Amino acid sequence: DAGITQSPRHKVTETGTPVTLRCHQTENHRYMYWYRQDPGHGLRLIHYSYGVKDTDKGEVSDGYSVSRSKTEDFLLTLESATSSQTSVYFCAISATDYGYTFGSGTRLTVV
Amino acid sequence: DAKTTQPNSMESNEEEPVHLPCNHSTISGTDYIHWYRQLPSQGPEYVIHGLTSNVNNRMASLAIAEDRKSSTLILHRATLRDAAVYYCILKVASNTGKLIFGQGTTLQVKP
Repeated sequence: DAGITQSPRHKVTETGTPVTLRCHQTENHRYMYWYRQDPGHGLRLIHYSYGVKDTDKGEVSDGYSVSRSKTEDFLLTLESATSSQTSVYFCAISATDYGYTFGSGTRLTVV
Repeated sequence: DAKTTQPNSMESNEEEPVHLPCNHSTISGTDYIHWYRQLPSQGPEYVIHGLTSNVNNRMASLAIAEDRKSSTLILHRATLRDAAVYYCILKVASNTGKLIFGQGTTLQVKP
């Protein structure tokens, strides 16, 4: 959907290196979310944000950090990538009590 | 977060109606019922949501039981493009309410 973009779309990185994924929105929505999706686990919430500089942990936050310095950008950082973080990462945005809009995903491979 | 129960998979014939069930016996009064679907190799897509009354939109209808312990997503005429994983999710109606995904129902549509 126009209004939310994720970058990069694909990335291959080496174990132990830091990686940052970017989610950018043009909808001015307050809420932003990072999920990961793995076979057999479905979508799991990593971190979310309910405003600039306001973030909180989700179900699987270990090894990840986030930052939101402006409304339109929500960054997900893998501080030291591991093979277990190989996954497809989805960003989502929402306004209060409305549906979420998801990005197209980032496929991350850690070798 | 209250849990939902959905069948793992369902089949439908093209151009016939599809009724996707969801049980949520522990739903609380502030939980909205959300439905999303995920087509292959795409991010989840919002379908519909409701609180107590039945809801209709251009994609589907949502029928909610009077006691709110179950709901049904209705696709009025299935097309091959409707083949996807359908997720029924309860979301707390608050600023910190989040979508927590289960395993969903994989819908197969046969021509």
